[in-house]
Amino acid sequence: SQTIHQWPATLVQPVGSPLSLECTVEGTSNPNLYWYRQAAGRGLQLLFYSIGIDQISSEVPQNLSASRPQDRQFILSSKKLLLSDSGFYLCAWSGFSGLAGLSGANVLTFGAGSRLTVL
Amino acid sequence: GQNIDQPTEMTATEGAIVQINCTYQTSGFNGLFWYQQHAGEAPTFLSYNVLDGLEEKGRFSSFLSRSKGYSYLLLKELQMKDSASYLCAVWRKQAGTALIFGKGTTLSVSS
Repeated sequence: SQTIHQWPATLVQPVGSPLSLECTVEGTSNPNLYWYRQAAGRGLQLLFYSIGIDQISSEVPQNLSASRPQDRQFILSSKKLLLSDSGFYLCAWSGFSGLAGLSGANVLTFGAGSRLTVL
Repeated sequence: GQNIDQPTEMTATEGAIVQINCTYQTSGFNGLFWYQQHAGEAPTFLSYNVLDGLEEKGRFSSFLSRSKGYSYLLLKELQMKDSASYLCAVWRKQAGTALIFGKGTTLSVSS
């Protein structure tokens, strides 16, 4: 079965400091990988997605970046955090995991999330 | 592009039935998903509709009408643990495939 790991779970960082969040997927190959952010009281915002190694698409202009150095590893980074970067960051993968049954739907599965507070 | 609308909040009592509506506009439909998200946790998959009609999974059912761009999630025999946010989402087929979410409906179940 497939599993997704994301860390760290919680972090508090000062403004201007760097950021690195890591995500790995097990039990599947060549998954599509995603980073979402959920700010307080807001919906899930798609930040980045990747269809393969070193293939990253950015959804919104910001001071965040993403990298995919290996097939099942996805990293979210920032060189200098802003207050507005605070939020709940979620890594996800998609593939035909069988969760939707016989339809074989392309279901999105999330990691446990990383809660970032920038002070 | 995609536009997904759902009510912000709903309240209900234990044992009752609640229906959470979702309307969407999307170019290129490839299925509608419902996710449940408890406070402080990641969303988890609930249901998926790609054809019109009702999909039933225990106490939860989801309905889809593609011609109307409309879906609903029906929760029966409500329990306190059903208090959560319910997210409606559709796959985007242009500018890269990705699941686009509505802002979610926060359901509060009281005794």
